[in-house]
Amino acid sequence: NAGVTQTPKFRILKIGQSMTLQCTQDMNHNYMYWYRQDPGMGLKLIYYSVGAGITDKGEVPNGYNVSRSTTEDFPLRLELAAPSQTSVYFCASSYRDYLNHEQYFGPGTRLTVT
Amino acid sequence: ELKVEQNPLFLSMQEGKNYTIYCNYSTTSDRLYWYRQDPGKSLESLFVLLSNGAVKQEGRLMASLDTKARLSTLHITAAVHDLSATYFCAVDFMNRDDKIIFGKGTRLHILP
Repeated sequence: NAGVTQTPKFRILKIGQSMTLQCTQDMNHNYMYWYRQDPGMGLKLIYYSVGAGITDKGEVPNGYNVSRSTTEDFPLRLELAAPSQTSVYFCASSYRDYLNHEQYFGPGTRLTVT
Repeated sequence: ELKVEQNPLFLSMQEGKNYTIYCNYSTTSDRLYWYRQDPGKSLESLFVLLSNGAVKQEGRLMASLDTKARLSTLHITAAVHDLSATYFCAVDFMNRDDKIIFGKGTRLHILP
């Protein structure tokens, strides 16, 4: 199993450009998440999905959009990039049962907006 | 408000010493996770604590959960340089508020 994969690994965007961060998992997990991590800080939840076709906002959703058309894929779209979106973005997945939401993280995408 | 607080946020210690990282949270939960992050890398799962009194150990690290005190600890025994990393706790509020909240992380630097 590849686990959680993310592309690209690095990207530099100009202000106002748009891009999509890709995330794929091959563990048949129902839950998927997008986080951002600013330097020296913890993780903040942007969006999450409890299954194909269902998405919901996290703590910091403004400026982002997501979709979940399949169990495996959960892309994150940035529209009109701003310098405040410079961060490292992590995708994660988990298999929810009543007890356990242990998350498996992808390698991250380092995004710079200038 | 759902809050998760870790302390200390930064810890520099000598090899061979013992220390404890604390994770406090604001609202009832009986599920908590510890993760490790090396510089420039992703997060790796260390421990899953799923009930009051749960204790897990792996090598020189031991994690415990006291749901009544809303407190988890990560204890390091006889620290070695390889344990230098940032450690995050994450509290699972999914059954209540559909959220998992991460602490800000404890940056651990172990001096050889």
